[in-house]
Amino acid sequence: EIVMTQSPAILSVSPGERATLSCRASQSVSTNVAWYQQRPGQAPRLLIYGASTRSTGLPARFSGRGSGTEFTLTISSLQSEDFAVYYCQQYNNWPPFTFGQGTKLEIK
Amino acid sequence: EVQLVESGGGLVQPGGSLKLSCAASGFIFNNFAMNWVRQVPGMGLEWVSFISANGDRRYLADSVKGRFTISRDNSKDTVYLQMSNLTAEDTALYYCARDPWAAAGNWFDPWGQGTLVTVSA
Repeated sequence: EIVMTQSPAILSVSPGERATLSCRASQSVSTNVAWYQQRPGQAPRLLIYGASTRSTGLPARFSGRGSGTEFTLTISSLQSEDFAVYYCQQYNNWPPFTFGQGTKLEIK
Repeated sequence: EVQLVESGGGLVQPGGSLKLSCAASGFIFNNFAMNWVRQVPGMGLEWVSFISANGDRRYLADSVKGRFTISRDNSKDTVYLQMSNLTAEDTALYYCARDPWAAAGNWFDPWGQGTLVTVSA
């Protein structure tokens, strides 16, 4: 089973600043990584797939990059609605599909 | 509008059974694989099960293998999760989520709003 490890667990950033979230896979997953956002009381929402492809309608301030075992999600110029929990997921070697434990992005 | 609506959750005693349903609308259901993912409140996401578009490929997480069964009725645009021999560790919010393809596992989009399963005496 591939283990996905996200860091940091909590990230405090001021509105308007940039946030960079990291995700590491225990073995290579090529670019088969997705990122999700989960706001309180809501279901997860797909942001990025294929490590770097934005989902339909996603603002350009969200960007993903990486391959192999190291991945990042960057949110430039944070808006109030961006403060949420973010999860990475690998779909290269499955079953099982595996998620990271999440990074909580909070207002500084 | 693509929509997934889960139902069937509730309070069940340890050792009991429950069947969850996920009704789909807004897309051609029999063209897409489907998944169940669960989340203990306040915790992370755990994939539970996958079923291909025509139902010929089915997978379960090790934590539920032998106790849960996934199925689908393409005539009703609905996917099911039959859960038996439930334990407290199965207490979670259960989401259904669509795969972008018919048979290959990928990312999940969209997700339903979830149905809560509580296993307690």
